[in-house]
Amino acid sequence: AQSVTQLGSHVSVSEGALVLLRCNYSSSVPPYLFWYVQYPNQGLQLLLKYTSAATLVKGINGFEAEFKKSETSFHLTKPSAHMSDAAEYFCAVSPYNTDKLIFGTGTRLQVFP
Amino acid sequence: NAGVTQTPKFRVLKTGQSMTLLCAQDMNHEYMYWYRQDPGMGLRLIHYSVGEGTTAKGEVPDGYNVSRLKKQNFLLGLESAAPSQTSVYFCASVPYGTGLYEQYFGPGTRLTVT
Repeated sequence: AQSVTQLGSHVSVSEGALVLLRCNYSSSVPPYLFWYVQYPNQGLQLLLKYTSAATLVKGINGFEAEFKKSETSFHLTKPSAHMSDAAEYFCAVSPYNTDKLIFGTGTRLQVFP
Repeated sequence: NAGVTQTPKFRVLKTGQSMTLLCAQDMNHEYMYWYRQDPGMGLRLIHYSVGEGTTAKGEVPDGYNVSRLKKQNFLLGLESAAPSQTSVYFCASVPYGTGLYEQYFGPGTRLTVT
């Protein structure tokens, strides 16, 4: 069965520091991959998606992620954290030729001044 | 466009009571989904629908029923609520034919069962 693993349920960074949120997937066929963000008391919003085009994907709010097939990873990065980036981030995989998403358990990002 | 809306936003039920959560979308999307979100468990798929009049079970369907009588609405029912169903429920929709499976989420319904 397909699955997604997010390493670290909580990540804390200082404002201006690099943000790195880790996501690994298990799939025999490269799937579609997504990162979603959830701000407090809100629904999920798409940050970026990988759909077998460019391996480096740029999203909103300065985030980007790189698909690495050899490592089965899709880590999310941002060069410089902002206070407004504090939220919960979910990695998700859509297995090939399905109509469902499988979510990771989420990583809560805290940004300190 | 209002996007995806959910009614109600909050609800408290006693064990054994029933209720229906409404999800509505005005984007003419074919696919709709119901998830529950619990701390440390991410989002888990309850039921989904790939078109009007169709429904299918997801990962955690027990204790829930759904109906998709109109394309724009997807109802989630709890026939006899249990404390284990205390959760935040999210609805999502996807346009047919994009091949991208990007899901558009509603704001959520926070349900407490006492």
